[in-house]
Formats: sequence, structure tokens, C-alpha cells
Amino acid sequence: AQSVTQLDSQVPVFEEAPVELRCNYSSSVSVYLFWYVQYPNQGLQLLLKYLSGSTLVESINGFEAEFNKSQTSFHLRKPSVHISDTAEYFCAVRKSGGGADGLTFGKGTHLIIQP
Amino acid sequence: EPEVTQTPSHQVTQMGQEVILRCVPISNHLYFYWYRQILGQKVEFLVSFYNNEISEKSEIFDDQFSVERPDGSNFTLKIRSTKLEDSAMYFCASGNRADTEAFFGQGTRLTVV
Repeated sequence: AQSVTQLDSQVPVFEEAPVELRCNYSSSVSVYLFWYVQYPNQGLQLLLKYLSGSTLVESINGFEAEFNKSQTSFHLRKPSVHISDTAEYFCAVRKSGGGADGLTFGKGTHLIIQP
Repeated sequence: EPEVTQTPSHQVTQMGQEVILRCVPISNHLYFYWYRQILGQKVEFLVSFYNNEISEKSEIFDDQFSVERPDGSNFTLKIRSTKLEDSAMYFCASGNRADTEAFFGQGTRLTVV
């Protein structure tokens, strides 16, 4: 079984400041890692994913995350946030390889951008 | 851009009633999922469905729950006799391969009164 820990339930940040949202996972098998974002009154949207290869993955809107196997982490970062980044961010894992395994989610981090 | 659609967006039902939540996955996808999110809690996996059968299910997915793909386009979640604790946001998701991301719908908020 897998588990995901997002220690910060809320992260307030000033606009144009950098941000890091932390995610740690636990698993006895290899995993794929994901960050999903949920804007107010909307569904979950994939932000970025790590399946294999380069441990640094990027999204089209300036977010990046780095897979660190030794620290079992997949922290999400952005060098300069915008008001429109206000949302709930969920880290998720699933067992790698075939099979329709479900995602295991963290509790989410609410990113609050202050002007 | 293709998307997963869920209906209704909000459903209110009385305790003990049956409810069916409907989802239309992305058309070429083969893997289908239901998740739920109780208010203030994490998103939890319920069940995955592939090749017309359940592939995996969580402990939450007990005999009260069932899933069906009745016509090749819809994917439904039925709760047989709803309880107050079934109140949650229910998300449908689909994917075209097992080893890639799932695309989520907007969710159906189920309120059991």
C-alpha cells in the first residue's frame, strides 16, 4: 500500500514570491507521482507527473517538481506565483507498471496568494 | 479538448434511497475510476474498471456500491441504500493506458439527508 503526506494544509505566499509545496510518500514498490490542482468549484486537473526518466518535471504554467527517491519526496515549486495560482494542490501516487490501480492522494495544500 | 463529464452536478437524496451517479468518460479511454472526497478530507479511491469488469476496489467500496458501463459510453456508480456518511463529492476519472494519468470530471456533490 502507498501513503502520501502533505504536511502543510495551507501556504500563504505574496504574489511574485517563490513557493514550495511539500509532498512525501511511502511505498514498498516503485511508484508514479502526480500533482493535481483544483481551482475553486472545479474538478481535479493534472499539473505534472513523474513516470520515469529525468527526475525534474515541469508544467506549462511554470511549476516544477523533483522526484527524490532517497528522500521519498516530490515537492512542487514555482519561482514566482500569480494570483491565478490560488487553488488546492494534491500530490498523488500510484503503483508503477500495468494494472488499473487507483491513485492515493495526500490531504491537499491550499495555496493562498496575497497581493 | 475532450473531457470527462459528470451528471448531475449536485444530487440531494434521502437516507435509504438508491442513487445513480453518471459519468461520460473520454471516448477512446479504456480505464475508468470513481473517487470520493468527503468535505474537508482527502480524495479517496473507490474502484477501477477495465474490460467490463472491476479491476481493483478499496475497502470503502462495499456491497452497497456497484459500477456499470451499460452502453459503451456511460459509466455509472450506484449506491444501493444511501447513508448520511455517503455525503461527499464523487469524482469520475478515465485514462487511455494503465500507466498514465487519469483525467477527472468536475464531480457530483451528493448530499444525503
